[in-house]
Amino acid sequence: QVQLVQSGAEVKKPGAAVKVSCKASGYTFTSYGITWVRQAPGLGLEWMGWISPNNGDRNYARKLQGRVTMTTDTSTSTAYMELRSLRSDDTAVYYCARGGYSNGYDYWGQGTLVTVSS
Amino acid sequence: QSVLTQPPSVSGAPGQRVTISCTGSSSNIGAGYDVHWYQHLPGTAPKLLIYVNTNRPSGVPDRFSGSKSGTSASLAITGLQAEDEADYYCQSYDSSLSGVLFGGGTKLTVL
Repeated sequence: QVQLVQSGAEVKKPGAAVKVSCKASGYTFTSYGITWVRQAPGLGLEWMGWISPNNGDRNYARKLQGRVTMTTDTSTSTAYMELRSLRSDDTAVYYCARGGYSNGYDYWGQGTLVTVSS
Repeated sequence: QSVLTQPPSVSGAPGQRVTISCTGSSSNIGAGYDVHWYQHLPGTAPKLLIYVNTNRPSGVPDRFSGSKSGTSASLAITGLQAEDEADYYCQSYDSSLSGVLFGGGTKLTVL
């Protein structure tokens, strides 16, 4: 069965960076894009960006460009999302999901809470 | 304007029908980009409910249906059940942003 398993919760200080992993199993990793979505406390879902494990194509949300990097390791079927220069408003649950904008996101990771606090 | 607008909340009694609207613009839904819907329960991952405007993934009850017309889309839920109480989000692509938009979310309360 398809599974996306994310790394554990993180607590970071403002200005630091965080890297969240998302290990995929149960399907051919290079056949589907990986999308990252976050939800800040009390707010809605926010699209962060997308990466193709097949060819490395990426598309980041404009508001995050320059601070976010998405990568994949096809040898371990793992996707990574690194967010730098963290601010308090980056405190959120971060999700990875399988798929791209055209067909929706059909499988999701369990979420990773990232808390940014001094 | 690159936003997808949903009502903040809707409610209905068990067994009733409710609809949730998702209003976009000429750069997203109106441009022909498809709409997808998600159900999100607190503390869990979002669940794909409707994809490509009207399609239900395997396992989603046929009480849930989607439609799209012009610059808007709708999610309809019939035969409301207590377990349907959740947040619902629409999602589409926006050409002005060159990225994906989520609606602001609608909280469904089953009375």
